[in-house]
Amino acid sequence: GEEVAQTPKHLVRGEGQKAKLYCAPIKGHSYVFWYQQVLKNEFKFLISFQNENVFDETGMPKERFSAKCLPNSPCSLEIQATKLEDSAVYFCASSLNPGGLREPQHFGDGTRLSIL
Amino acid sequence: AQSVTQLGSHVSVSEGALVLLRCNYSSSVPPYLFWYVQYPNQGLQLLLKYTSAATLVKGINGFEAEFKKSETSFHLTKPSAHMSDAAEYFCAVTNSNTGNQFYFGTGTSLTVIP
Repeated sequence: GEEVAQTPKHLVRGEGQKAKLYCAPIKGHSYVFWYQQVLKNEFKFLISFQNENVFDETGMPKERFSAKCLPNSPCSLEIQATKLEDSAVYFCASSLNPGGLREPQHFGDGTRLSIL
Repeated sequence: AQSVTQLGSHVSVSEGALVLLRCNYSSSVPPYLFWYVQYPNQGLQLLLKYTSAATLVKGINGFEAEFKKSETSFHLTKPSAHMSDAAEYFCAVTNSNTGNQFYFGTGTSLTVIP
């Protein structure tokens, strides 16, 4: 598609439950990024993929968080045993490969995760 | 290390007045710089980008930004504010050392007063 599609828009989980978020990048985009926006105005980088391979995972919490980008499937971000502090809006972005660093990232509308 | 500082978390302007949103960056190598806008409950929309071509960059919705290496700045401007410009604005930097990762500023909330 022409837009980054994130599902669901809202996700509510009880503390300790699992949460799984999905992202379909723009068709033809090789790079996928996940960001966490906890407060209204802070974006924290989590992880990036180049096709199905992890490109940079320096922002991923070592425990509980995992992500995948498998061929012919939406990318996913999974949080095990959620905690209250995981409540945030999670954004996915994609970009073209050929332009490399000069290419902008195109963002989805985010998934709002609420942990109760 | 790479980082972005956006001075002024909140900016208010009157409708029709000049909009100036400040962004200063830190980058150990030549940067690529971007401005994004976020409307409520939406993702980020690209306004414009600097990728080492012209230093004055024109974007959508009448916005432009000028890359000033000597000042390490990339301020966003618009000559005349519209009510529809009210939103959150983010400056971001990346470079060849960041592995395509974007570093975002903390955002500036723009209010337009009728």
